[in-house]
Amino acid sequence: KQEVTQIPAALSVPEGENLVLNCSFTDSAIYNLQWFRQDPGKGLTSLLLIQSSQREQTSGRLNASLDKSSGRSTLYIAASQPGDSATYLCAAIGRDSNYQLIWGAGTKLIIKP
Amino acid sequence: NAGVMQNPRHLVRRRGQEARLRCSPMKGHSHVYWYRQLPEEGLKFMVYLQKENIIDESGMPKERFSAEFPKEGPSILRIQQVVRGDSAAYFCASSFGTGYEQYFGPGTRLTVT
Repeated sequence: KQEVTQIPAALSVPEGENLVLNCSFTDSAIYNLQWFRQDPGKGLTSLLLIQSSQREQTSGRLNASLDKSSGRSTLYIAASQPGDSATYLCAAIGRDSNYQLIWGAGTKLIIKP
Repeated sequence: NAGVMQNPRHLVRRRGQEARLRCSPMKGHSHVYWYRQLPEEGLKFMVYLQKENIIDESGMPKERFSAEFPKEGPSILRIQQVVRGDSAAYFCASSFGTGYEQYFGPGTRLTVT
């Protein structure tokens, strides 16, 4: 059964720093992995989706990598800004189905001005 | 293109009342998924529907919860005789097909008083 873990649960860094958020999954036979952003009391914004055949995806200052053999994905944020403050969620679709997203608990990121 | 729409955005119900949450998928999408986010918890899959069919309801509570996606109109998540533990954010997503990227709506925040 697929399980998704995100560490740390919370992270606070000064503005301008580059940072990495971690996501691990127990079943390496994933279908795809997706990173989302959630602002307090708001909906989910999809940031990047990595198919199982891909190793990374980039969008602006964001870069997500996928290493199925180690069961890990990372979200790299370059030159962080206060507007990046949010909770970042990763979700994987695993072997059991090709549609059911299994979610991590999220990393709450605070960028200090 | 309009995204996934959910209404209402906020819903307050007293214990014992019924809650009806609506989800209109993106244009061209015929697959709908419902997820629930309990306070201070991660998101959990509830149900996967295609037009007029429930494909997987393994995440739905056995009692009081039902979902439908009729041939015409939005998908409906119905909660009968709500209890305080039903208070949560309910998110709907849609996709073009099984295994395709899921696009999320803004969510409905249900509060049971």
